[in-house]
Amino acid sequence: DADVTQTPRNRITKTGKRIMLECSQTKGHDRMYWYRQDPGLGLRLIYYSFDVKDINKGEISDGYSVSRQAQAKFSLSLESAIPNQTALYFCATSDPRTSGGFTDTQYFGPGTRLTVL
Amino acid sequence: GQNIDQPTEMTATEGAIVQINCTYQTSGFNGLFWYQQHAGEAPTFLSYNVLDGLEEKGRFSSFLSRSKGYSYLLLKELQMKDSASYLCAVRDDRRNAGNMLTFGGGTRLMVKP
Repeated sequence: DADVTQTPRNRITKTGKRIMLECSQTKGHDRMYWYRQDPGLGLRLIYYSFDVKDINKGEISDGYSVSRQAQAKFSLSLESAIPNQTALYFCATSDPRTSGGFTDTQYFGPGTRLTVL
Repeated sequence: GQNIDQPTEMTATEGAIVQINCTYQTSGFNGLFWYQQHAGEAPTFLSYNVLDGLEEKGRFSSFLSRSKGYSYLLLKELQMKDSASYLCAVRDDRRNAGNMLTFGGGTRLMVKP
């Protein structure tokens, strides 16, 4: 079984709709992240959470919100989807306690391909 | 701010060696990562450098020069399955965020027979 799972894997929605992307992990990591990936732009950080009570904005948080329901679950919401939010969305986890030194390597889920029409 | 540059595309021959460069300009630096990403899949961790020098891991090696803001990923004995995008990412601890990564746009490597 995959350590980091994302649902749904593909989603097509319409402008103005509310949509939630979910991420679950069985790695026991405290830190979780949401990124979006657009061709040629690389991965950009939307939000991150270092524990259940900690939520922080990343580089491009406008138009998004998150919820850390438990250590293992981190959800990303688009309150009112717009076409330029069409992208590939990745969840990632990390834990410095399990990395050698302070590598704190991030491990990525399989991604959700979101299309907003 | 952060600026990370890497070539958009590279082509190499099966069995050969290829070097993918990454240059960065950051206000703070606390490590550089390389990830491999096959089309439509998740990025997977390849290597981490925080001190100057070469880190070798099987067919893959990564080099870092902090004074030059430069890293490269070296892939030896190329195989067809190495066709993928290679992502360079820098961790900037100066923003007091602990583990925020800034990614370059990725280098798409095509390995030909």
